[in-house]
Formats: sequence, structure tokens, C-alpha cells
Amino acid sequence: DAGVIQSPRHEVTEMGQEVTLRCKPISGHNSLFWYRQTMMRGLELLIYFNNNVPIDDSGMPEDRFSAKMPNASFSTLKIQPSEPRDSAVYFCASSLLGVGTEAFFGQGTRLTVV
Amino acid sequence: GQSLEQPSEVTAVEGAIVQINCTYQTSGFYGLSWYQQHDGGAPTFLSYNALDGLEETGRFSSFLSRSDSYGYLLLQELQMKDSASYFCAVGSGGGNKLTFGTGTQLKVEL
Repeated sequence: DAGVIQSPRHEVTEMGQEVTLRCKPISGHNSLFWYRQTMMRGLELLIYFNNNVPIDDSGMPEDRFSAKMPNASFSTLKIQPSEPRDSAVYFCASSLLGVGTEAFFGQGTRLTVV
Repeated sequence: GQSLEQPSEVTAVEGAIVQINCTYQTSGFYGLSWYQQHDGGAPTFLSYNALDGLEETGRFSSFLSRSDSYGYLLLQELQMKDSASYFCAVGSGGGNKLTFGTGTQLKVEL
């Protein structure tokens, strides 16, 4: 398996524009997580899905952020409109549903909003 | 909610032993995991403790005390390649929700 695949790897956009980050989890995994990493705030959990259903979105910072998982092999994180403070590395991770199972991370999307 | 505390930085010499501590506060605790992240890379799984005690995986060991809400990662025979950030993470919300600490940057020197 190729692992968790995220696209794009890098994104530079202007403030106010819509940004869509994409993630393909490992085949067979039924939990998917979106994290944001910055120097100031560390690795923050934004939202996670079990069996394509959003379970906890309490980490989503504002209504400008939304996430979907239309099927088991694809998820998106959308920011509309984007702001400079959204600049960060966004990681997607997947795992098997269960206690203590290993989460496998994608290589991340480095987002810069200018 | 969840909160986890780790030292921000640790420095050690090659061949030495280093311990990275983690204290946590969470509701519905299921277990403590450890992840390693090299600069520019993605976090990768190291270990998981659900019960009190020590888990050993090669040069790395992880310890958990549920009564003290405390755990640590022990790295032995340090190598230069161990220079990275190390994160503890608590499982909650049925065990599947994974919340990370702020991370400890380990620098291994000659």
C-alpha cells in the first residue's frame, strides 16, 4: 500500500481564496483524522471520522473550515475564505477503528496564505 | 477536554539514555501513545500503553501510570538519527480519538 496520500503537498494562496486539501486513506482503514500543525499550537486535532461519519469536529477552529468524507477512500478539508493565520501544515491520518491502533500519517500539505 | 504536558526540549549525547515525560489530563482515557517526527516529516508511531507498566520495543521503552496520569518514553543507546520531536498522545472518546501533546524536541550530540 502507498500509505496515506495527501494532495497538494504545497499550496500558496491569497487571503480570501478557497482552499481544498485532499486525502486518500490506507485501504481498509475506517478511521480518518485531520490535524493542523504549527509551531505555536503544536499538532491539533481538527476532526475525525469513523466509517465515513464525522464523530468529533470540536477542533475545527471556525465555520470557515469544513470537512467531508463522501466514501471510505477520500476526504477533503476546505477553508473558505482562507486567512493568513490558517498557514500551517495540515496532516491527514488513518487507522483501523479500535483502541490504541496505530495512526498512519500522510506527508502533509504545507499551506501558506498570503 | 484533553491537555498533555511535555518538556519542550531535551539534549543528550550519543550512546546515552534519555527519558521524555508526559503528564496528561483527560476524560475517558484509554491509553497513551508515542510518536516520532523528524523535521519536515510526518509523525510515525512508536508505542502504545493501555495498562500500567513498561512496554519495550528495541531501544525504546514506554511507561504508563494511570493513577498518576503520567507516562514516559525511554530511549537507550541514543543515535544521531534519534534527533527528532517526540509526541505523547492520549486515546479517548472510546479510544479512537487521538489528541497529541506539544512535543519534545530531542537533540542528540556527539
